[in-house]
Amino acid sequence: GAGVSQSPSNKVTEKGKDVELRCDPISGHTALYWYRQSLGQGLEFLIYFQGNSAPDKSGLPSDRFSAERTGGSVSTLTIQRTQQEDSAVYLCASSLEVSATEAFFGQGTRLTVV
Amino acid sequence: SQQGEEDPQALSIQEGENATMNCSYKTSINNLQWYRQNSGRGLVHLILIRSNEREKHSGRLRVTLDTSKKSSSLLITASRAADTASYFCATVLTSGTYKYIFGTGTRLKVLA
Repeated sequence: GAGVSQSPSNKVTEKGKDVELRCDPISGHTALYWYRQSLGQGLEFLIYFQGNSAPDKSGLPSDRFSAERTGGSVSTLTIQRTQQEDSAVYLCASSLEVSATEAFFGQGTRLTVV
Repeated sequence: SQQGEEDPQALSIQEGENATMNCSYKTSINNLQWYRQNSGRGLVHLILIRSNEREKHSGRLRVTLDTSKKSSSLLITASRAADTASYFCATVLTSGTYKYIFGTGTRLKVLA
């Protein structure tokens, strides 16, 4: 596609349910990032996939959060047993790893846990 | 913890004035980038400055970098109402990873 695509755009879920957020990066981009942004706050790093290397999961806030990237392309961020504090916008970005000169962002998924 | 801290957190100016935002970071960097975010959604890349550069220009944007102070500034000259947005700095570290670490952001409001 022309840009980074995220789905769904908005998600409302009940506390305790699991959710899956999808990111489709720009074709050919080997690096993929997930960030979380609470209302009016900065971007909190969650996880970074770099080519075929093991992902950098250092930003995942708890073991309820996991992510995978299949075939070096599409990525899914899964949040299990959602809590109200998980409510935020989840942003995905991709970049050409070897240059690291620009990250291209999707429009994000706004997650609301009620 | 986040790499970058920005100030001010919020800035309100009149159209035509200049806006200056500052970013500080903690560790050695490969490059530093500035991004803009409208309406709390996707970010758009504005400008990049490498660690061996001190100043870059792009249109009405001017970025400076002081690696000895671990700080950068973004100047928007002759601001317009359409410049109203949040601005974030992002650092790419030198540790062999291409992870982008974002600052806390500055919310700019340009009054017409």
